[in-house]
Amino acid sequence: DAGVIQSPRHEVTEMGQEVTLRCKPISGHNSLFWYRQTMMRGLELLIYFNNNVPIDDSGMPEDRFSAKMPNASFSTLKIQPSEPRDSAVYFCASSFYRSTEAFFGQGTRLTVV
Amino acid sequence: DQQVKQNSPSLSVQEGRISILNCDYTNSMFDYFLWYKKYPAEGPTFLISISSIKDKNEDGRFTVFLNKSAKHLSLHIVPSQPGDSAVYFCAAKGGSEKLVFGKGTKLTVNP
Repeated sequence: DAGVIQSPRHEVTEMGQEVTLRCKPISGHNSLFWYRQTMMRGLELLIYFNNNVPIDDSGMPEDRFSAKMPNASFSTLKIQPSEPRDSAVYFCASSFYRSTEAFFGQGTRLTVV
Repeated sequence: DQQVKQNSPSLSVQEGRISILNCDYTNSMFDYFLWYKKYPAEGPTFLISISSIKDKNEDGRFTVFLNKSAKHLSLHIVPSQPGDSAVYFCAAKGGSEKLVFGKGTKLTVNP
């Protein structure tokens, strides 16, 4: 299996622009997580899905952030409009429901200038 | 409010010696604990885990110890190797799929 695939690996965008991050989970996994890593806050969970349904979005920082999972093999995290403080590495992870560990993608490094 | 804390941002050890990474948690509902390792420009990878019904789990050079009364766990790596140099994250979960991570400890193993 190719593992969790995220795209793009790097994104540089101007403040105010819309940014869309993409994730393909491991085939067969039915839980999907979006994390953000910053120096100040470490790895924080933004939102997670079970069977394509959002279960907990309490970590989404504000209404500028939205996430969708239209099917079992694809998810997006959108930021609109983007701000410089959104600059971070965004990770997607997937697992079997109730599994003990999650598998992470390589991340998307977002820079908002 | 940080529920999982790794108070040492960095640790440096000599090759062949023991590395001990520490983690404290505050939420008594946590019942499963994991360690992840992360190399630069890569995602975290699962290393070892322990259930709250155990106090020790061993996998090769890696051993995790859990002290529930102290709400403390530690990861021991022995012997340490230069390839172990990475950032180590402690994580915990309880009652849901949600994994809560510490901020990580950067381990450097010197040849």
